[in-house]
Amino acid sequence: QVQLVQSGAEVKKPGASVKVSCKASGYTFTSHHIHWVRQAPGQGLEWMGIINPSGGSTTYAQKFQGRVTMTRDTSTNTVYLELSSLRSEDTAVFYCARDKENSSTFFYGDLDSWGQGTLVSVSS
Amino acid sequence: DIQMTQSPSSLSASVGDRVSLTCRASQSIDNYVNWYQQKPGKAPKILIYAASSLQTGVPSRFSGSGSGTDFTLSISSLQPEDFATYFCQQTYSSPEYTFGQGTKVEI
Repeated sequence: QVQLVQSGAEVKKPGASVKVSCKASGYTFTSHHIHWVRQAPGQGLEWMGIINPSGGSTTYAQKFQGRVTMTRDTSTNTVYLELSSLRSEDTAVFYCARDKENSSTFFYGDLDSWGQGTLVSVSS
Repeated sequence: DIQMTQSPSSLSASVGDRVSLTCRASQSIDNYVNWYQQKPGKAPKILIYAASSLQTGVPSRFSGSGSGTDFTLSISSLQPEDFATYFCQQTYSSPEYTFGQGTKVEI
């Protein structure tokens, strides 16, 4: 079955960076784009960006441009999210989610499988 | 950005009730709306895609409707496991997808 397993919780100081991993299994890794979505405590969902595991191309939400980097490692079927210059407002649960579309070219934003989430706390 | 506004922000209902949740887009988005269910401490789960298509494995008591700017998620007979928060998402403005703020369905 499709599984996305994320790395564990992190505690960071303001100004630091964090790198969260998302390991995929149960399907062909390069056939589905991966999105990252974050959720601040008690808040809604915020789309951060998308990576194509096939070629590594990325698109980031404008809000995070310059602070976010998404990468992938096809040898381990893992995608990574790195967020830099952390501030207290970045405290959130970060989710990776698979795009439903079975294509190395197209994606439609329908998120059919999600990781369990990674809590990143930013505090001095 | 396309704004998605959900109403109500919360509602109280009983097992067996029929409930309808509303999502309004700030501009016309055809049928590019998904609905997700989220339980406390868990990741969201997709219920409906393309406004009215039921995701595989989702019970048929869930249904979606709407087009343009107004969308509805309906639950025909509320079950104990349906008490959760529901989010709509627009996929019209690719890839800057946006979500509604959620509707919490409480007992």
